[in-house]
Amino acid sequence: NAGVTQTPKFQVLKTGQSMTLQCAQDMNHNSMYWYRQDPGMGLRLIYYSASEGTTDKGEVPNGYNVSRLNKREFSLRLESAAPSQTSVYFCAHTGDSTEAFFGQGTRLTVV
Amino acid sequence: AQRVTQPEKLLSVFKGAPVELKCNYSYSGSPELFWYVQYSRQRLQLLLRHISRESIKGFTADLNKGETSFHLKKPFAQEEDSAMYYCALLTGSSNTGKLIFGQGTTLQVKP
Repeated sequence: NAGVTQTPKFQVLKTGQSMTLQCAQDMNHNSMYWYRQDPGMGLRLIYYSASEGTTDKGEVPNGYNVSRLNKREFSLRLESAAPSQTSVYFCAHTGDSTEAFFGQGTRLTVV
Repeated sequence: AQRVTQPEKLLSVFKGAPVELKCNYSYSGSPELFWYVQYSRQRLQLLLRHISRESIKGFTADLNKGETSFHLKKPFAQEEDSAMYYCALLTGSSNTGKLIFGQGTTLQVKP
């Protein structure tokens, strides 16, 4: 599982609802990331965390919040979902080797 | 600005033909570049990185700092190479840097 567990796999939300995507890694890596994947747009970085307790905005942070409470877990929260947030979301992590390990993705539909 | 550009959304070739997937980057520091691949229904995974200077599955990529390019090449494409390919740039340090991706190129190898 590439050392990363991402949940849920699928989710349908109504506009305005909230949800949290969970990501946990067991490789003791410092850096963790959340991306969204959209056709023609590639992988766009939403937020990343270089270490426990720190987070930084990526390219498309608006409408999202993140939390890195410990080294293992990095969650992504949508406070008020919008149709524009319909996407496939990926969590990833990197360590000293710089190779990124990806979760299986969450397919989110906002109606 | 830090940016990765993959100009081709789709590249379609016949089996046995040469392949070149283009990648250009913009980064003021010393770049660390990667190619990732996503096969159908599989997780995104590392294909190769420029510091390794290795050939994986017949693919090679050379970093050209003068042209700020990191094109992926294979002399003879195979049908199993059909996938989405992403070029990626790691900014900052290896352990705490930020990993950004290009828009991705879909490679279609026809029989």
